[in-house]
Amino acid sequence: DAGVTQSPTHLIKTRGQHVTLRCSPISGHKSVSWYQQVLGQGPQFIFQYYEKEERGRGNFPDRFSARQFPNYSSELNVNALLLGDSALYLCASSFESGRFFFGPGTRLTVL
Amino acid sequence: RKEVEQDPGPFNVPEGATVAFNCTYSNSASQSFFWYRQDCRKEPKLLMSVYSSGNEDGRFTAQLNRASQYISLLIRDSKLSDSATYLCVVNRDDYKLSFGAGTTVTVRA
Repeated sequence: DAGVTQSPTHLIKTRGQHVTLRCSPISGHKSVSWYQQVLGQGPQFIFQYYEKEERGRGNFPDRFSARQFPNYSSELNVNALLLGDSALYLCASSFESGRFFFGPGTRLTVL
Repeated sequence: RKEVEQDPGPFNVPEGATVAFNCTYSNSASQSFFWYRQDCRKEPKLLMSVYSSGNEDGRFTAQLNRASQYISLLIRDSKLSDSATYLCVVNRDDYKLSFGAGTTVTVRA
């Protein structure tokens, strides 16, 4: 079975632009979470979606939004990009609580 | 105060050595505990869950002390392939993982 997939792998944007990141969970997993990992730090929780409903949100500004589709894939949108949004964005899927499987991430660079 | 704090290291050890490090967590309501491994510029991967009774997985031993809110990881007989960043992870409410900043381990030949 395929693991969690994310696209694109790398992305370069300029300040003020908008970005959409995509994630497909492991087949059968209904929950998708998004994390931001800035260089030198651990991943920080952004959102979790379960059965297309937002289940939790981390301490991120409203510029960050997400959604989950009927096939359980998900998009993370970030508006009005700032230099500080440069990070590795990780998607994780889970079936049972406590077992999270991470995708390879999207590395976003904001210039 | 950060929810999960780790000794950042780096720990630089020779092959075959034993290395141990730990983390502390601030929320006593935390329910599940894990160690994840992250290689450079890669995604975190689950190394092992941590149980109150302590548990082993091959050369890796994890301990949890709920009273002190302290988690440890010990690696015996270190291999070159053990070089990585080890992330201490706490799950409080099923949907959110809280990560420490990671402990860097380098095993040298």
